[in-house]
Amino acid sequence: DQQVKQNSPSLSVQEGRISILNCDYTNSMFDYFLWYKKYPAEGPTFLISISSIKDKNEDGRFTVFLNKSAKHLSLHIVPSQPGDSAVYFCAACDSGTYKYIFGTGTRLKVLA
Amino acid sequence: KAGVTQTPRYLIKTRGQQVTLSCSPISGHRSVSWYQQTPGQGLQFLFEYFSETQRNKGNFPGRFSGRQFSNSRSEMNVSTLELGDSALYLCASTPGRSQETQYFGPGTRLLVL
Repeated sequence: DQQVKQNSPSLSVQEGRISILNCDYTNSMFDYFLWYKKYPAEGPTFLISISSIKDKNEDGRFTVFLNKSAKHLSLHIVPSQPGDSAVYFCAACDSGTYKYIFGTGTRLKVLA
Repeated sequence: KAGVTQTPRYLIKTRGQQVTLSCSPISGHRSVSWYQQTPGQGLQFLFEYFSETQRNKGNFPGRFSGRQFSNSRSEMNVSTLELGDSALYLCASTPGRSQETQYFGPGTRLLVL
């Protein structure tokens, strides 16, 4: 049972445009969500997070939106840069269990 | 602060052998989680240790085990290795309270021949 889903395995975007990565979850107990960026043969790097009491969090070029009723979150990257090309994972956490569940990732390619 | 460190970075083993991987968390972090990443898969949760106790466990067979020491360093052991155990093994640490960011180490790449 995949509780966190990233339905788009890959995404290509032109440099300077917006990248939108999506993530859906099924467990209503999740109350903390995170996005990570990963390069091959490296560990994931934390990008941005959001608590379930918020619906938006922004950090520079990165914005995460949370729609609790739809159990959906998205990561917006504006403007996209070639260095953003990587695999992006969303993760969800149930604070009551301290357990983090990750999606399968979306490979973003930013074209120069 | 130093980040999460993992040793060794690369490992080659043969089927049937066992392997032990090590993870040192960020100083002050008491929770260590282990994940397996295989090609095309997300990060599959193995287990989490907090203050030397296993607090969470994923759906992996008993061949996968772990432990945590009093200094929060953690080890993961895989016995009777199978070809399918070839993967990148990642550990992540947090202070151990709720709604925290997990910080990952660089991973150990295990190849089982």
